[in-house]
Amino acid sequence: EPEVTQTPSHQVTQMGQEVILRCVPISNHLYFYWYRQILGQKVEFLVSFYNNEISEKSEIFDDQFSVERPDGSNFTLKIRSTKLEDSAMYFCASGSWTGMGTEAFFGQGTRLTVV
Amino acid sequence: ELKVEQNPLFLSMQEGKNYTIYCNYSTTSDRLYWYRQDPGKSLESLFVLLSNGAVKQEGRLMASLDTKARLSTLHITAAVHDLSATYFCAVESGNQFYFGTGTSLTVIP
Repeated sequence: EPEVTQTPSHQVTQMGQEVILRCVPISNHLYFYWYRQILGQKVEFLVSFYNNEISEKSEIFDDQFSVERPDGSNFTLKIRSTKLEDSAMYFCASGSWTGMGTEAFFGQGTRLTVV
Repeated sequence: ELKVEQNPLFLSMQEGKNYTIYCNYSTTSDRLYWYRQDPGKSLESLFVLLSNGAVKQEGRLMASLDTKARLSTLHITAAVHDLSATYFCAVESGNQFYFGTGTSLTVIP
């Protein structure tokens, strides 16, 4: 069964460093999302992507964050100058339009720990 | 901003019992999803509800959607330990999913 793959599964970085989180979506999906979940808290939307463009982004997704599709298939989420409060589980999701709604499938997540 | 609220936040129930988790949302939408999350794991898609009155069942779980009341329910029948997890509802609006606060379910023998 096709699945969304994220790497690395766990990343530890020093405060102020840049990290790149990677995602391989399900092929032929056209909708892509990044979410994060601080431990024990709710799932927060970061950004959505459609047709190679950002379609929506949250207040969290400020200049510190960027998303790219470097090779036309994989996605990356770059976090510049990481802060302690960026420590969270970051989920990538890809989705397909069902005719009435978008069914999204989530990757296993990257646990980011900023020290 | 769209608000999605779930209750209860925490639920401890005995095996064999029935219970319902509620998901209320603050704006018109007819696209609602339920996900399951095990500790430290990803979000597993359970149900996709795309119209008013939609009802879907899988095993001991049944989900329904009332778009007029802006309410979805996840009903658990004869709970078993394997159902212990956190359950999230999510409302699709625009180009994102708005997640509820989650309901942490513990099924005890």
